[in-house]
Amino acid sequence: EAGVAQSPRYKIIEKRQSVAFWCNPISGHATLYWYQQILGQGPKLLIQFQNNGVVDDSQLPKDRFSAERLKGVDSTLKIQPAKLEDSAVYLCASSLRGTPTSGETQYFGPGTRLLVL
Amino acid sequence: AQSVTQLGSHVSVSEGALVLLRCNYSSSVPPYLFWYVQYPNQGLQLLLKYTSAATLVKGINGFEAEFKKSETSFHLTKPSAHMSDAAEYFCAVTPRDGYSTLTFGKGTMLLVSP
Repeated sequence: EAGVAQSPRYKIIEKRQSVAFWCNPISGHATLYWYQQILGQGPKLLIQFQNNGVVDDSQLPKDRFSAERLKGVDSTLKIQPAKLEDSAVYLCASSLRGTPTSGETQYFGPGTRLLVL
Repeated sequence: AQSVTQLGSHVSVSEGALVLLRCNYSSSVPPYLFWYVQYPNQGLQLLLKYTSAATLVKGINGFEAEFKKSETSFHLTKPSAHMSDAAEYFCAVTPRDGYSTLTFGKGTMLLVSP
């Protein structure tokens, strides 16, 4: 079974430029998550989708970050314009249902490492 | 709100020694608890999780963790460290009464010396 796919793996941009990351979850997984992992810290949830609807985007900086999951399958996370503090690894994860009381496993992709100069 | 504290940003052990990585959670209701491992330039991989009444949980690669409600802890152990265990380990929680959003600790880097 194929895992969570992400691209690109690495990206270097200048501040104020825009960038987009792509994620394809495990086939059949209803829930998709985007996390930001700053160096030396644990991942922090940016946004959670249940199928193509947003469940939680409370920690997404909406003035510069946007995400979509059209058709409830793959997803794109965009940053526009980027700031120096956006340098981080962006992890995508998926789970089968993501429903309450499930305690189910989230499966992570390899991440996209972003460096903003 | 729930949170996770991992004591020690770095832990060093010798190959063959006991591994003990500490995790304490803060939550009014015992949450689901997870340990993930992250190797360099890779995503996170689940080691084990606590979701039921069985307080001692066995995971992959010889790791296990014990849920202790009285101590609000979920420490990760392995009897004998191997060089391949060198990685960063994250403890995480998710509430039992909401969507499965993971809240992670800051991580503990495990260093294994020959």
